[in-house]
Amino acid sequence: KQEVTQIPAALSVPEGENLVLNCSFTDSAIYNLQWFRQDPGKGLTSLLLIQSSQREQTSGRLNASLDKSSGRSTLYIAASQPGDSATYLCAVPSNDYKLSFGAGTTVTVRA
Amino acid sequence: ETGVTQSPTHLIKTRGQQVTLRCSSQSGHNTVSWYQQALGQGPQFIFQYYREEENGRGNFPPRFSGLQFPNYSSELNVNALELDDSALYLCASSTPEEGNEKLFFGSGTQLSVL
Repeated sequence: KQEVTQIPAALSVPEGENLVLNCSFTDSAIYNLQWFRQDPGKGLTSLLLIQSSQREQTSGRLNASLDKSSGRSTLYIAASQPGDSATYLCAVPSNDYKLSFGAGTTVTVRA
Repeated sequence: ETGVTQSPTHLIKTRGQQVTLRCSSQSGHNTVSWYQQALGQGPQFIFQYYREEENGRGNFPPRFSGLQFPNYSSELNVNALELDDSALYLCASSTPEEGNEKLFFGSGTQLSVL
């Protein structure tokens, strides 16, 4: 059974600082990994998807890396802004139709 | 904003009651998945529907059931509500071709069971 863990559970940084969010998974036989953003009481927005053949994926200030062999992914957010305050979740597919999610990292960026 | 809409946005029920949550999928999407997200946790997969048939199920008891209609909209029904059913219920739509790579989530229904 795939287990996904995210560390830390919460993070508070001053505006402008870079953010590093970690995700680990137990079964390395994945074919992709996604990072999602969730605002309080809201649905999920996909930020980045990394295929198993890729090492990195970038979108604007966001960069996600994937190390399948060690079962880890890292999301970097450069030059954080108060608008980046949200919960960030990583997810891996357990089969063709199901995603297994971590519990998320709740980020607060202080102005 | 995705094209996935869920109703109602909030709901309060008492233990033992039944509830129906609704989801309209993104245009062109024939697959709908339901997830339960307890406070402070990640979403947990409940089940998926494809062309009106259940296509996969997570570790949830039979009192969680669903339907998908010919227009691909979907319902989640929960019978005999328990306090632990209090959670945010998320619906996501996709196509089989894109699978979990293009999941569009609705804003969810917040269910409180008293």
